[in-house]
Amino acid sequence: GAGVSQTPSNKVTEKGKYVELRCDPISGHTALYWYRQSLGQGPEFLIYFQGTGAADDSGLPNDRFFAVRPEGSVSTLKIQRTERGDSAVYLCASSLTPAGANTGELFFGEGSRLTVL
Amino acid sequence: GESVGLHLPTLSVQEGDNSIINCAYSNSASDYFIWYKQESGKGPQFIIDIRSNMDKRQGQRVTVLLNKTVKHLSLQIAATQPGDSAVYFCAEKDPGTYKYIFGTGTRLKVLA
Repeated sequence: GAGVSQTPSNKVTEKGKYVELRCDPISGHTALYWYRQSLGQGPEFLIYFQGTGAADDSGLPNDRFFAVRPEGSVSTLKIQRTERGDSAVYLCASSLTPAGANTGELFFGEGSRLTVL
Repeated sequence: GESVGLHLPTLSVQEGDNSIINCAYSNSASDYFIWYKQESGKGPQFIIDIRSNMDKRQGQRVTVLLNKTVKHLSLQIAATQPGDSAVYFCAEKDPGTYKYIFGTGTRLKVLA
């Protein structure tokens, strides 16, 4: 497909477990974002990659959260020792140009809904 | 997918009428703004953007107005259609960073 692909679409896990969420951006898009969206809220910034490197990870809530993008394409968001408060929709977005170019054309995936029991 | 915006402010509009959705932003130094539309179970979809050197920008059936004096954005949708029903978010680019900061959103309901 031509859009941003996120897997799994739904993930139910138990408190304390480890979770990985995957994002496959649009081919050729160098910029990649992870956002988190709780019910009734707007998306909350987590981390931004330009190429392989995390240019800004200031939105990660704590050290249980980590994200990688080893080849500058697919990215994985990793959450250790999950807590009930981590339940949310995790959105990935990609962009053709870096955020510094001031383009707003972020293409979002449909998100991965994480439920921690 | 998950239903977004169950507790959001709601604007109900009759089909065919114009809609105006408002948003206040936080940083007077922000120089770039975007409106996104989010349907239930889907990711946000880009609608229109505006830079701070403009007061108004028009797209197809949509107009964004920017009032920097009071840090206010509005999205106007002409001849609102059932397919416009969704949650609408404004987002501002955080100056000097790579972040886009989203507002809390408004649910638009189009009544037949």
